[in-house]
Amino acid sequence: AQSVAQPEDQVNVAEGNPLTVKCTYSVSGNPYLFWYVQYPNRGLQFLLKYITGDNLVKGSYGFEAEFNKSQTSFHLKKPSALVSDSALYFCAVREEGSNYQLIWGAGTKLIIKP
Amino acid sequence: DAGITQSPRHKVTETGTPVTLRCHQTENHRYMYWYRQDPGHGLRLIHYSYGVKDTDKGEVSDGYSVSRSKTEDFLLTLESATSSQTSVYFCAIRPGGTDTQYFGPGTRLTVL
Repeated sequence: AQSVAQPEDQVNVAEGNPLTVKCTYSVSGNPYLFWYVQYPNRGLQFLLKYITGDNLVKGSYGFEAEFNKSQTSFHLKKPSALVSDSALYFCAVREEGSNYQLIWGAGTKLIIKP
Repeated sequence: DAGITQSPRHKVTETGTPVTLRCHQTENHRYMYWYRQDPGHGLRLIHYSYGVKDTDKGEVSDGYSVSRSKTEDFLLTLESATSSQTSVYFCAIRPGGTDTQYFGPGTRLTVL
């Protein structure tokens, strides 16, 4: 069965420091991986995805994510955090060849302190 | 929000009453989804549609029904609302041939 884990409910980072939001997954075949962000009282916004190719994926707002097949991880990163990055972040996965339904992590609240 | 609107945006209702939430899109995408969002659970798929009158169940479909009589509208109905259905409901569309889903602004439903 497909599953996604976001092991941290909340991540606190000082503004200007690098940030990492963790995601691990479990699928039988090749994974398609996604990151979405949700700002307060808004819908989810697509950040980036990994389908195939380069393990380092660049996305919106200066975010990037690194696919690591051996560790079954897809951590979200940013070199220098902004206060405006404070939001709820969701990781999602689907297995190649499956239907297009995504399996979602529980979300990680990112707080950037000035 | 990718041309997706949801109505109402907020609703308070009583246990046992029927409730219908509407999702409207302006871009004629074939695939539409209804999710609920609850703390600690992320998003859970309720129902989805792959065309007019073509719908299927997601992982938490009990107590919900859907209808899609036009490409642009996807309706979610709670036949008899219960307090466990208090949640934030999101509609999403997925352009054909892509994996990326785009979300509406959500409906906050409170069942008293």
